[in-house]
Amino acid sequence: DAMVIQNPRYQVTQFGKPVTLSCSQTLNHNVMYWYQQKSSQAPKLLFHYYDKDFNNEADTPDNFQSRRPNTSFCFLDIRSPGLGDAAMYLCATSRSWGAVTEAFFGQGTRLTVV
Amino acid sequence: DAKTTQPNSMESNEEEPVHLPCNHSTISGTDYIHWYRQLPSQGPEYVIHGLTSNVNNRMASLAIAEDRKSSTLILHRATLRDAAVYYCILKAAGNKLTFGGGTRVLVKP
Repeated sequence: DAMVIQNPRYQVTQFGKPVTLSCSQTLNHNVMYWYQQKSSQAPKLLFHYYDKDFNNEADTPDNFQSRRPNTSFCFLDIRSPGLGDAAMYLCATSRSWGAVTEAFFGQGTRLTVV
Repeated sequence: DAKTTQPNSMESNEEEPVHLPCNHSTISGTDYIHWYRQLPSQGPEYVIHGLTSNVNNRMASLAIAEDRKSSTLILHRATLRDAAVYYCILKAAGNKLTFGGGTRVLVKP
């Protein structure tokens, strides 16, 4: 059974039109992450939540925002998508910040900007 | 975050072992060595982790050098389903999971 679920798997949006990607988890994990992965590159961390505490990476553009209304759900909002934001967006969870804690990833949402 | 260095790609024949090296010369005493892999069009998945001793699980083995400055992920019998990008990541408590370049493994039938 899927434990980290991302919807939709594929999203097409227009240049400049706000878009929201969603992630849900059934693991009751404290930490949720959003990564951006461009073609042939490694995943790049955008931000993460520890419970309700939000932590933004220093180089994450302001165009990217996130919401976590409860433990199970987390959203990635792209306010004005540009062509350069086309990528796979990955959501992940982990129980804690421990050094041995395993992260669980969703299947990703592939975003196309037209 | 301490960095890791991996070869860009490796090829293997099906049912043969694959040894994936990772260098981490700046590893700190509290860093665990984690491996994840990412199959095509999938999110990454956890493979194995270790601190000092060699580790085995159903997916792979992890051999860690005595000085901990390098490690090797061993896939004992590669199958076509093992074709993926394998990431070696150092993680300490309180730190994020940060991906480096990874090694793309091609398995030939």
